[in-house]
Amino acid sequence: GQQLNQSPQSMFIQEGEDVSMNCTSSSIFNTWLWYKQEPGEGPVLLIALYKAGELTSNGRLTAQFGITRKDSFLNISASIPSDVGIYFCAGRGGGADGLTFGKGTHLIIQP
Amino acid sequence: DVKVTQSSRYLVKRTGEKVFLECVQDMDHENMFWYRQDPGLGLRLIYFSYDVKMKEKGDIPEGYSVSREKKERFSLILESASTNQTSMYLCASSSSGSTQYFGPGTRLTVL
Repeated sequence: GQQLNQSPQSMFIQEGEDVSMNCTSSSIFNTWLWYKQEPGEGPVLLIALYKAGELTSNGRLTAQFGITRKDSFLNISASIPSDVGIYFCAGRGGGADGLTFGKGTHLIIQP
Repeated sequence: DVKVTQSSRYLVKRTGEKVFLECVQDMDHENMFWYRQDPGLGLRLIYFSYDVKMKEKGDIPEGYSVSREKKERFSLILESASTNQTSMYLCASSSSGSTQYFGPGTRLTVL
């Protein structure tokens, strides 16, 4: 089946730093999604990307749908303590509504 | 706002018990999904449903069954719970072609 490689697995950063994480795939996706999950909660959708090359922002978050349709990145600018959590990418290929998920990037912020 | 609710946040059951996990969505979504989430393995799809009374196996259906008698409700059933089914269970729903929205999760412990 399709697989997504998400990196890095974890990040330890100082408050105020910028963060960058990405996902790559051997398959083409038609949609890329980025979710955030806090401890004990379900994933919450942050950004959805539907078109190759698309660059979308949501506050301090910016995500891009790669031109090749095989990758996507998420940037967080000026990190704050509430950004702590696990960030997942997910891709949807042609047909059906099933998503393929990355294994997550665990973001830890040191004050 | 989309709302996906799960019947329990935490459950503790004994080996061999029959377990029901309930999920309800209030947005008239056609599609509903059950995932389990385990450290290092990410989210894995157990079963999904595109319509009432319709179900499809995901990547790891063994040991599980599902029921969708009404559009808004999707139940996951563990016929005879085992310790290796201790996990976080996440329900999601979507309208065709759109993103998936997750519930808060049920953390199941099987003793």
